[in-house]
Amino acid sequence: SQTIHQWPATLVQPVGSPLSLECTVEGTSNPNLYWYRQAAGRGLQLLFYSVGIGQISSEVPQNLSASRPQDRQFILSSKKLLLSDSGFYLCAWSANGGGAGSPLHFGNGTRLTVT
Amino acid sequence: AQSVTQLDSQVPVFEEAPVELRCNYSSSVSVYLFWYVQYPNQGLQLLLKYLSGSTLVKGINGFEAEFNKSQTSFHLRKPSVHISDTAEYFCAVSDPNTGGFKTIFGAGTRLFVKA
Repeated sequence: SQTIHQWPATLVQPVGSPLSLECTVEGTSNPNLYWYRQAAGRGLQLLFYSVGIGQISSEVPQNLSASRPQDRQFILSSKKLLLSDSGFYLCAWSANGGGAGSPLHFGNGTRLTVT
Repeated sequence: AQSVTQLDSQVPVFEEAPVELRCNYSSSVSVYLFWYVQYPNQGLQLLLKYLSGSTLVKGINGFEAEFNKSQTSFHLRKPSVHISDTAEYFCAVSDPNTGGFKTIFGAGTRLFVKA
């Protein structure tokens, strides 16, 4: 069966420090990968998605970036964190070629607090 | 642009009572609809989805939802809730014309089940 791992679970970082969140998927090949941010009372905001190695689509311009160095690895980064980057970050995957009807499968998230 | 409105931010209900969580979406074209559940400090899990066919969709944990095209609604229901149903519920819409990469989520409804 497919599993998705996301780490760390919680992170406290000072303003201006770098960020690296990692997500890996097991049990499936060539998945579509996503990074979402969840703010309280505001639902989920799509940040990035990827349909293949090295292919990244950005949905929201900001100081975050994403990379996909391997088929089942997705990394969210920042060179300098802002206070507004605080939130709950969720990685997700969906089946490649599944189309719009293919559901998202989420990791357990990383709660980032920027101080 | 697509949008999803969850009409109630919080719904308190007593155990064994019925519950309805309301969701409306804005679209004049065919879309795919989803309900996800999120337990504290976890990612989201798929409850059910509507792609086509019967407008009444049954999901996991005894939940069901009814698609109403004329009212652009997709309300979630359960005839008898349990304490363990306490969680946040998200309605989501995906447009087949965008390849399914840009699922739009509502702001969520927090369900509190009281003993």
